[in-house]
Amino acid sequence: EVQLLESGGDLVQPGGSLRLSCAASGFNFGNNAMSWVRQAPGKGLDWVAGIGGDKNTHYAESVKGRFTISRDNSENTLYLQMNSLRAEDTAVYYCAKDFWRWAFDFWGQGTRVTVSS
Amino acid sequence: EIVLTQSPGTLSLSPGERATLSCRASQSISGHLAWYQHRPGQAPRLLIYDASNRATGIPARFSGSGSGTDFTLTISSLEPEDFAVYYCQLHNNWPLTFGGGTNVEI
Repeated sequence: EVQLLESGGDLVQPGGSLRLSCAASGFNFGNNAMSWVRQAPGKGLDWVAGIGGDKNTHYAESVKGRFTISRDNSENTLYLQMNSLRAEDTAVYYCAKDFWRWAFDFWGQGTRVTVSS
Repeated sequence: EIVLTQSPGTLSLSPGERATLSCRASQSISGHLAWYQHRPGQAPRLLIYDASNRATGIPARFSGSGSGTDFTLTISSLEPEDFAVYYCQLHNNWPLTFGGGTNVEI
């Protein structure tokens, strides 16, 4: 059974940093592209960053230069390092597993990030 | 960046009725469109990929169509569990983007 378990969400001040983790199990993690997708309160889904099995990375313009996606295939874990956090980064962050050309067939339950002073 | 516009914002229907949801892209995206169902407190669920292919385990009442800039998700006969928010997503093209969502409510 595929499982994705996010952690690391917290309350952080503007300008602060946070690292999210996503522990994966039940599939060949190293062979799958993965992404982070977020949902701000009362808003829709918003793709944040993606990383291929080859570790090639892609970012939304809104987070480029501030967020870094990475993966540890030996630990079956996906990461999102978030720096220079802003109020508009407040959201539930989901990790998602690629199914076919960056459509996502499994999602975690999310971890909440709140950026506020 | 390609923008996906979903309509209507809210669709008020009854169980057994047919739901037709629209997603329009700001430029041609060929068939690289996915649809998701998102119920409150749950993870999003992939319904359709490549515009018209049902994902594993998705009931036949869900169907997707379209190409280029105009896409449709149809739910042929609404079940009580189908009342949720539906999102379209550009896939296989950077940056990935989601539409704003359609809330299908009773």
